[in-house]
Amino acid sequence: DGGITQSPKYLFRKEGQNVTLSCEQNLNHDAMYWYRQDPGQGLRLIYYSQIVNDFQKGDIAEGYSVSREKKESFPLTVTSAQKNPTAFYLCASSILAGDTGELFFGEGSRLTVL
Amino acid sequence: AQKITQTQPGMFVQEKEAVTLDCTYDTSDPSYGLFWYKQPSSGEMIFLIYQGSYDQQNATEGRYSLNFQKARKSANLVISASQLGDSAMYFCAMSSTTSGTYKYIFGTGTRLKVLA
Repeated sequence: DGGITQSPKYLFRKEGQNVTLSCEQNLNHDAMYWYRQDPGQGLRLIYYSQIVNDFQKGDIAEGYSVSREKKESFPLTVTSAQKNPTAFYLCASSILAGDTGELFFGEGSRLTVL
Repeated sequence: AQKITQTQPGMFVQEKEAVTLDCTYDTSDPSYGLFWYKQPSSGEMIFLIYQGSYDQQNATEGRYSLNFQKARKSANLVISASQLGDSAMYFCAMSSTTSGTYKYIFGTGTRLKVLA
């Protein structure tokens, strides 16, 4: 079945370490997104990409980096520069059809900094 | 700047009753899309319903309907005949163009609890 796969589901990190969250989709979608969700809050956009080798900063990009070398893959690196990285991270994709496309989400990755 | 506002942090509804979740938005783009998503406690986001800015009629999907009032910039979700399984977080979202690219923004969500 087509969908979005995020891994790992749970991740623990020591302060000062970089970690990379994986996001893979087999929906042939052009656009991919990373969101951060803090407890009891909404989703905030970290980065998004609409074509391979191109991506744009969202509202809270500081301390994060991404790459889009393949259409199917959009990994997110949480760097040591991110001051408060403990959160739930959601990856999503959409057909690049303007404003009519719904987002398809992965199951999320929960990062905890020890 | 684009913005989505959900003013109800939490709502209660009796099983089998209808409930309205509020959403207002702000954008200067003439073309945009409005969405509602459901997030159960397990964390995954489930798409519920979509309304385009040029659609004349309110969207409906089964027990879900979207009360779209363009002049007021509101896009409220109506859930009819609430079920216990409707208990979840509900997010309103908007897609619109920024500098020629589309991105989605979300509100802070409303937690709905359906009472037996």
